[in-house]
Formats: sequence, C-alpha cells, structure tokens
Amino acid sequence: EIVLTQSPGTLSLSPGERATLSCRASQSVSSSYLAWYQQKPGQAPRLLIYAASSRATGIPDRFSGSGSGTDFTLTISRLEPEDFAVYYCQQYGSSQTFGQGTKVEIK
Amino acid sequence: QVQLLQSGAEVKKPGASVKVSCKASGYTFTNYYIHWVRQAPGQGLEWMGIIHPSGSTTTYAQKFRGRVTMTGDTSTSTVYMELTSLRSEDTAVYYCARDSTNGYSGYEWGSYFDSWGQGTLVTVSS
Repeated sequence: EIVLTQSPGTLSLSPGERATLSCRASQSVSSSYLAWYQQKPGQAPRLLIYAASSRATGIPDRFSGSGSGTDFTLTISRLEPEDFAVYYCQQYGSSQTFGQGTKVEIK
Repeated sequence: QVQLLQSGAEVKKPGASVKVSCKASGYTFTNYYIHWVRQAPGQGLEWMGIIHPSGSTTTYAQKFRGRVTMTGDTSTSTVYMELTSLRSEDTAVYYCARDSTNGYSGYEWGSYFDSWGQGTLVTVSS
C-alpha cells in the first residue's frame, strides 16, 4: 500500500499569503495519478486537482498542483477567506489511499 | 447537475449491521462507478471500495473484505453500502462519491472522485 504523508499538519497564514502544501508518497505514484481535495467543516470533500496538476472544473486558478514520482505540492497563490480548510491528497495509481490532511488556518 | 443524495443518520449497537443508500441524479447512472469512503470523527479519509452501479463489479479494500457489501439498483439509480459486525471504531461519516471516468477506468480501484454525497453519520454505541 502506498502511504501518503502530508506536511505540515497545520499551516497558519493570513489572507493574501501564499500556501504551499506537501504530499510525499512512500513509493512512486504511477502516471502522476494524484489528486487534491478541499474539505470544510461539516461538508464533503471537493475535488481541486487531478493528475497532479490539472484543475477540476470551476476551480480558481490560484490553486495549482505540481510534482511527480513521490513528491507533490499544492500551492494556493493568494489565500482568500474561503480557502481556510483541510486539504487532502489522494493517490489512485495503486489502489486508493489518502494523506492525513493539512489544515490551513487563519493566523 | 450531478447529485448524490444519501440516507439519513443511523445509530447502531455493536454487532449490528447498517445499510446506507446513495441515490444518483443528473447523469447516466450506469456510466459511472461509485466509491464509498468513510471519515471517523476528526480523522482523515479512508477508501472502502468501488461498485459498478449495475452491481456487476465490486472491489473492496482489503480492510473491509468480509464485512462490507456494495450493491446497486438501476431501477432507482441507487447504490447501497452494507457494513456488518459493527464496532465502535466504525463510528464515522460515510460518503459515496462518483468516479470521474465515464466507463471503466482501466483499474479495478477506479480513478479520482469528481462528485460526493453529503455524507451519512453512522454511530455505533451500546
């Protein structure tokens, strides 16, 4: 099973700042089959990024994904108030596993 | 628009079973596989398995094999997830989610998820 480790656990930032979230896999993720989801309290997750760097429909361009192999990054270029949430990475190249999440909180 | 509407919250005793439903609308039901994912209180996401809505194909995560059964009813565009021998550790919000691929993704575990149900809280307590 591929284990995904997200860091940091919590990111404290102010609106307008840049957020950089990391997702590291225990082995290479084939074909960059990696996705990112955003989850707000009491809500279901929402797809942001798939195939490591493709934005899902309707996702603002301040969200971007990058990486390959075992190291992936989600970047939010300028945090908006609605971006404070928990973010999960998911690999779907070898079964399905999720990272433990990174919480982006208001500083 | 794609909608996945799940059944309401459940409270069960240890050892009992629970069956959660997920009714799909807004797209051709049999063209997309459905996943089940759960989230324990304050915890992360855990994949349970995938079903073709006709019920013809299922793949379960190893952790849940023997305890989970996923079924589908094309007449009502509904998929079901039944979990048996419940224990306190099964207390969680259970989500259904649509696979992103129109048809078969090429992998028995599917692909990423493009739409989610609202979640169903299952509480296991004596």
